[in-house]
Amino acid sequence: AQKITQTQPGMFVQEKEAVTLDCTYDTSDPSYGLFWYKQPSSGEMIFLIYQGSYDQQNATEGRYSLNFQKARKSANLVISASQLGDSAMYFCAMREGYNTDKLIFGTGTRLQVFP
Amino acid sequence: DTAVSQTPKYLVTQMGNDKSIKCEQNLGHDTMYWYKQDSKKFLKIMFSYNNKELIINETVPNRFSPKSPDKAHLNLHINSLELGDSAVYFCASSQATEVNTEAFFGQGTRLTVV
Repeated sequence: AQKITQTQPGMFVQEKEAVTLDCTYDTSDPSYGLFWYKQPSSGEMIFLIYQGSYDQQNATEGRYSLNFQKARKSANLVISASQLGDSAMYFCAMREGYNTDKLIFGTGTRLQVFP
Repeated sequence: DTAVSQTPKYLVTQMGNDKSIKCEQNLGHDTMYWYKQDSKKFLKIMFSYNNKELIINETVPNRFSPKSPDKAHLNLHINSLELGDSAVYFCASSQATEVNTEAFFGQGTRLTVV
């Protein structure tokens, strides 16, 4: 079974609009961490935002926020006021409490921002 | 200063050759990783090292041999390269392996086997 599922292979958004990238996860461990990474066309992996399973509030980092719905096991990334430079692949990842030695990644969503 | 650096950035080689990719981190992290990103962009962990000790070997063929001379370095040696080894290989590091610990990635090495 997939541990991290990103069902949107590609998304389009107009500049200055908000966009939500979906991520659902599967774990029976009560302790886990969820991460989002951005991979622009240049190829590097850039850490964006983190949400812990015990965090009471949704994480925010600048224009990035995480819509964390624990009961639904979803951790969607919301990018507000999209910019052309946001065009990239976005990966959701998880670290489980009983096996913290690795980050497990989803298949990614390619976001394209158009003027 | 580059936090996690990999060399080379591009590697083109023939089938059957042996090649190495080097990775160094200057973040003082205890844990280092190798990930493979295939042509569909899927990222899969290959190895994880903590303080020079192997802690994860994710069913990688034994043609792949990581070596960690010290906790700041994790090199990847690949013997008898095959066409299917063509991918982007990422080195990464993290301070620890707690649930809240993000990993910092190198810029990747694009390996093409011809």
